[in-house]
This record gives sequence, structure tokens and C-alpha cells, in this order.
Amino acid sequence: EVQLLESGGTSIQSGGSLRLSCAVSGLSISTYAMSWVRQAPGKGLDWVSSLYSSGSRQYADSVKGRFTISRDNSENTLFLQMNSLRVEDTAVYYCAKDKGPNYGDQNDYWGQGTLVTVYS
Amino acid sequence: QSALTQPPSASGSPGQSVTISCTGTSSDVGGYNYVSWYQQHPGKAPKLMIYEVTKRPSGVPDRFSGSKSGNTASLTVSGLQAEDEADYYCSSYAGSNVLFGGGTKLTVL
Repeated sequence: EVQLLESGGTSIQSGGSLRLSCAVSGLSISTYAMSWVRQAPGKGLDWVSSLYSSGSRQYADSVKGRFTISRDNSENTLFLQMNSLRVEDTAVYYCAKDKGPNYGDQNDYWGQGTLVTVYS
Repeated sequence: QSALTQPPSASGSPGQSVTISCTGTSSDVGGYNYVSWYQQHPGKAPKLMIYEVTKRPSGVPDRFSGSKSGNTASLTVSGLQAEDEADYYCSSYAGSNVLFGGGTKLTVL
């Protein structure tokens, strides 16, 4: 059974840094594209970043230069390093697995989400 | 990186069919056959319902179907059931990023 379990969400002051983790079981994350998708309270889905099987990284303009996606293949864990956090980064952050090695737009498995609250 | 355009709401009675549109540009929806649709119930994670415009993941009822014409993709739900009431989001690969639509709240009357 495939499971994704996010952790690391908390309440933090703007300008701070935070690292989210997504522990995956049931498959090897190095085989698939893995993504972070966020959802602000009461709002829609917002793509944040994807890490392809090849190691190529893609970022939304809103987080480029502030967030870094990475993975530890030995631990089968995906990470999102979030620096210079802003109030508008407040959201539930979901980890998601793509059906294939690229693109990050067809996510067939999702975690339960972890809440990041950024206050001024 | 503008979001894809979806109607904010849609509705239908049980047994009826409803179609939700998702409009983008030639740089996203119109340029790639990588359009997906997600269903999200309140407080739950999204669920993949359609990928690569028309494909259904295993376990998704065939009442759900997808299509695309030009820069607009569509999700059709046939034979509406009460459990179909949820938020629906389209997404598209856009070359170096992924775009989501703003979401459509589907109400089963």
C-alpha cells in the first residue's frame, strides 16, 4: 500500500525558515515525479514545486528563490525547505506522487497535508 | 503563471449530467495533452479523477469522462450521485510549471 506522510508544519513568524518532510512507503520516490501542492484556508489548490525522477526541479514563480525541493532516496523522503516565509505562504501543504517520472501534474497519491501558518 | 479558468459553481439533479470547463491558453491546456482533474471533499486530500485529458485511474467510475478542444478542457459527470458533490479542480502541465484552475463547487440538488 502506498502511503505519504507529511510532517513539519507549524506556526512561524514571517521571515523565518521551515523544512517540511514527506515520508513515503510502498514505492521508490526516485522513480516518480514528486510534488508539493498547497491550499490556503478556504482557497483552491496551488502548485508549489516538482522534483522529477531525473533530478530536475521546477518551482512556481511565487516561491522561486525561497523554497527548495529535494529528496533522500535512502530514506524515501521528500523535503521542502522554505526560507523567507511570508504571510501569504500560509496553507496546508500536500505532498503528492505523479503517475510518471515527469511533469508533476497527474498526482495519483497524496498525503494528508501539513499546516503551515505564517504570522506577521 | 495565471491560473486556469473554471466556473465557480455547477449543479445538477441526481441522474443528470454536468460538464465543468477549464480554459487556459496555447501554452498550457492547448499545448499539451497533460490535463488532469481532481475531486476534493471537505477536509480531504484531492483525488485524481482524470489524467492525460481522457484517462481514468483504476477505481474511478466511468461516469467521469474528460475531453479537450483547443485551449479548453472539460470534465463530464454523468448519472450524478450524491457522493459526487465536491470541489473539482483542473490542472495542466505548462512547460516549466503546473497550473491549477480556481475550482468548481459541484452541488447535487
